[in-house]
Amino acid sequence: DQQVKQNSPSLSVQEGRISILNCDYTNSMFDYFLWYKKYPAEGPTFLISISSIKDKNEDGRFTVFLNKSAKHLSLHIVPSQPGDSAVYFCAASAGGNNQGGKLIFGQGTELSVKP
Amino acid sequence: KAGVTQTPRYLIKTRGQQVTLSCSPISGHRSVSWYQQTPGQGLQFLFEYFSETQRNKGNFPGRFSGRQFSNSRSEMNVSTLELGDSALYLCASQRGVMLKETQYFGPGTRLLVL
Repeated sequence: DQQVKQNSPSLSVQEGRISILNCDYTNSMFDYFLWYKKYPAEGPTFLISISSIKDKNEDGRFTVFLNKSAKHLSLHIVPSQPGDSAVYFCAASAGGNNQGGKLIFGQGTELSVKP
Repeated sequence: KAGVTQTPRYLIKTRGQQVTLSCSPISGHRSVSWYQQTPGQGLQFLFEYFSETQRNKGNFPGRFSGRQFSNSRSEMNVSTLELGDSALYLCASQRGVMLKETQYFGPGTRLLVL
């Protein structure tokens, strides 16, 4: 049972344009959401997070939007750069403030930014 | 500060064998989590250790086990290997167990079961 779903395995955008990566979840107990980026032969690296009490969090070129009623979150990258080409994983956590060690990940979306 | 290290980086085993993977967390980090990454499945949570105690466990069979030592280093073991165990095994560490602490991942151990 995939509780966190990224339905687009891949996404291709032009350099300078906006990249929008989507993620849906089914468990209403999830209260914290994260995005990780992964390059080949490296482990995932943390990108940005959002608490369920917020609907938007911004960090430079990266913005995460959370729509709790739709159980949907998205990551916007503006402007997209070739160095952003990587696999992006959406993740969620549930169970309270001391459950940071257990993350439920989506399948990942491979973003390709063309020069 | 050194990152999370995992050994070995690559491993080839045959069905029925057992394997032990090692993870050294970032200095000062006491929590270690393990994940399995397979194509199409993303990262699936295996287990989490803090202060030598297993705090959480994912939906994996009992062939998958782990432990954590007093220096926070962790090992995971897979017994009676199956072809489907071929995957990238990722270890992540964080300082404690709180939600907003960042998990830092190692580069992973790629296991191939023949």
